[in-house]
Amino acid sequence: DIQMTQSPSTLSASVGDRVTITCRASQSISSWLAWYQQKPGKAPKLLIYKASSLESGVPSRFSGSGSGTEFTLTISSLQPDDFATYYCQQYNSYLWTFGQGTKVEIK
Amino acid sequence: EVQLVESGGGLVQPGGSLRLSCAASGFTFSSYSMNWVRQAPGKGLEWVSYISSSSSTIYYADSVKGRFTISRDNAKNSLYLQMNSLRDEDTAVYYCARGQNPWGQGTLVTVSS
Repeated sequence: DIQMTQSPSTLSASVGDRVTITCRASQSISSWLAWYQQKPGKAPKLLIYKASSLESGVPSRFSGSGSGTEFTLTISSLQPDDFATYYCQQYNSYLWTFGQGTKVEIK
Repeated sequence: EVQLVESGGGLVQPGGSLRLSCAASGFTFSSYSMNWVRQAPGKGLEWVSYISSSSSTIYYADSVKGRFTISRDNAKNSLYLQMNSLRDEDTAVYYCARGQNPWGQGTLVTVSS
């Protein structure tokens, strides 16, 4: 199975900060990577698919980059609504795997 | 509107069985593969199972292989997960997902005596 390693596990930041979350795959997954945002008690919400494509309706402050084994989610200017947990997911294989999650907290 | 709605969760004793359903609407269900994903309380996301659009290809996570069975009824626009021999560690919110989007709102399964 493809392992996904996400870092950091927790991130403390202030409104207006630029935030970067990293995800590393144990083998090449081309660009078959998605990023999700999850708030307590809610289903994950798709932010980015195919590594860098912004899902419709998602604010442009979210962006994704990378290919192969190294990927990044960037929030250009953190907003109050962005405090949540973020997950990466590979779908290069039918057997999806997820990163461990990054909780973005208020500093 | 594309929508997935799970049902069938609840409290079950260890060793028991439960059948989850996922009702799809707003898209041509028979054209899409589907997945189940779960999330234990306070934990991350874990993929559970995949079924192709025609049910010809099915995969399971090792943690549920031999105990869970995924199926679908394209005439009823419905996806199912039959869960047998349930264990404490199967306690989770179970989501159905059409690829990366959308996901349903989830249904809670609690395995406890």
